[in-house]
Amino acid sequence: EAQVTQNPRYLITVTGKKLTVTCSQNMNHEYMSWYRQDPGLGLRQIYYSMNVEVTDKGDVPEGYKVSRKEKRNFPLILESPSPNQTSLYFCASSFLGLRSPLHFGNGTRLTVT
Amino acid sequence: GESVGLHLPTLSVQEGDNSIINCAYSNSASDYFIWYKQESGKGPQFIIDIRSNMDKRQGQRVTVLLNKTVKHLSLQIAATQPGDSAVYFCAENKSGGKLIFGQGTELSVKP
Repeated sequence: EAQVTQNPRYLITVTGKKLTVTCSQNMNHEYMSWYRQDPGLGLRQIYYSMNVEVTDKGDVPEGYKVSRKEKRNFPLILESPSPNQTSLYFCASSFLGLRSPLHFGNGTRLTVT
Repeated sequence: GESVGLHLPTLSVQEGDNSIINCAYSNSASDYFIWYKQESGKGPQFIIDIRSNMDKRQGQRVTVLLNKTVKHLSLQIAATQPGDSAVYFCAENKSGGKLIFGQGTELSVKP
């Protein structure tokens, strides 16, 4: 089944403790992206990647890092999480960047205390 | 795009009726539009898309209408079912630009 898989689904952590949210897609998509979704603010792009070893900042990149060493994987790294990073995170991929539909994972709900 | 506070616009329909969900997009240069459905606890799911060289596109039980003159997009769902209950939001894109998401409309289907 074609899908985007994120792990974990739920994560509770403390301020400053480094964490990684994994994302993997099995559709051979070149484009991958991370979004956060907050009430009243909708979906905001954190980082995106047009291809392997190519990453760029989205609208809200502060406090986040990404890497794209392989086509299928696009992990999101929070080196020193803070409470304002408490959010619902989605990984997405597409065949033609933003000119074709994004396929989203089922989300990671992160709470930073 | 839409701009609402913490409360999404809501649409309540009776099972079997047709639903129409509207979206006002922000950029007159946008030429690619997508509708997504987001069920509780899940990620957004692609429903249908349309490019600006078309006014209408039909899928299975869904139709998207594009009115470029007034920058308006609508999603019509025929014979709405309880499984259609979700938040629906539109997204717009201009070639080389960002993908701009609307805030969404919550559709509630009464059995």
